[in-house]
Amino acid sequence: DTGVSQDPRHKITKRGQNVTFRCDPISEHNRLYWYRQTLGQGPEFLTYFQNEAQLEKSRLLSDRFSAERPKGSFSTLEIQRTEQGDSAMYLCASSSRGPEEQYFGPGTRLTVT
Amino acid sequence: AQRVTQPEKLLSVFKGAPVELKCNYSYSGSPELFWYVQYSRQRLQLLLRHISRESIKGFTADLNKGETSFHLKKPFAQEEDSAMYYCALRPGTYKYIFGTGTRLKVLA
Repeated sequence: DTGVSQDPRHKITKRGQNVTFRCDPISEHNRLYWYRQTLGQGPEFLTYFQNEAQLEKSRLLSDRFSAERPKGSFSTLEIQRTEQGDSAMYLCASSSRGPEEQYFGPGTRLTVT
Repeated sequence: AQRVTQPEKLLSVFKGAPVELKCNYSYSGSPELFWYVQYSRQRLQLLLRHISRESIKGFTADLNKGETSFHLKKPFAQEEDSAMYYCALRPGTYKYIFGTGTRLKVLA
């Protein structure tokens, strides 16, 4: 297992377009997190899944953001009608039922022009 | 409000000198606290958690509930400790709250 993977690694899009990111967690991990990180800041929690259930969602996750984890394995994060303020690194992390050590992916860097 | 504060953006120390990276939190309940580290061109990874009271790579951190602090310490810094360090709080829910991070530079 090579750890958590994210695709794409970089995405440049024009304002108003929709984008979708994918996260593949470590295979036996049932917990999955999405974060957003902007320059000079720490990761900001967006949402949490336990298996396929989305159990917590940040207020930061506006109506334009939606996340799914349909079969409790990979997850997608979609941003509709992107804005320049959405430019950031989007991080995914997963953990198992045991001690809460999150394993982070490499991130997807989004640039909205 | 639940918050994690790391007051130093950058901390430079000489090799062999002691290191203390500060972390203060704001949370009224019983917190779970973590330190994460990101080395150059690597992923964010867990360094240590307060409940395990362990020493990893010579680093320790003690939870001080009176001062609401969880400072990270190492008696003798090494060049390979140069990295970005984030303190994180899990306030009894599923989410984590990260601080803004401190960049540690260990000078030869």
